[in-house]
Amino acid sequence: DSGVTQTPKHLITATGQRVTLRCSPRSGDLSVYWYQQSLDQGLQFLIQYYNGEERAKGNILERFSAQQFPDLHSELNLSSLELGDSALYFCASSPAARPPNGELFFGEGSRLTVL
Amino acid sequence: DQQVKQNSPSLSVQEGRISILNCDYTNSMFDYFLWYKKYPAEGPTFLISISSIKDKNEDGRFTVFLNKSAKHLSLHIVPSQPGDSAVYFCAASEVMSNTGKLIFGQGTTLQVKP
Repeated sequence: DSGVTQTPKHLITATGQRVTLRCSPRSGDLSVYWYQQSLDQGLQFLIQYYNGEERAKGNILERFSAQQFPDLHSELNLSSLELGDSALYFCASSPAARPPNGELFFGEGSRLTVL
Repeated sequence: DQQVKQNSPSLSVQEGRISILNCDYTNSMFDYFLWYKKYPAEGPTFLISISSIKDKNEDGRFTVFLNKSAKHLSLHIVPSQPGDSAVYFCAASEVMSNTGKLIFGQGTTLQVKP
């Protein structure tokens, strides 16, 4: 158990809909990261927040948005969903904006299926 | 532009033998390299890392080797055990980015046969 909690674990929805994925980082961690893993692909970096502020942005679609709240939990909002958005979405956390040895702690992921 | 590549999608080895997983990278500004292991229905878990100023790091049965001139790293597992069967991801962090983001390879599925 990494200490990173993601909900929901599974989500099935239809094209055009909007969903929200939630992440609670490990106790004490100030950084939260979101990654997308499509079928048989590596993990693609979406976005990082550090202490409530956006720290880094990857290839995140304009239909996607995220935020980190004062209690440090984070939400990833996916809107106007398309079939290709079906993927595993992972949240990770770290104590600092840039961990000294690079290590991130991952949650178990949220599996999104768009029908 | 794939900065971290794992060219072997899968690897099968016999229990007790050595498993060697390979990873190539293109960005010379990477300062840390990590290996993560992932079981089905679980998140990736950290296995071992190496700084770009070193060429070897060892932790029990796991050793990572870094060849900076070839921009290549490898993970050796000796001896391999059936419980090592998982997907292994190579990842790297870039010192100039000043962020904690990791760039991942596509992963290699290791199967260790009893």
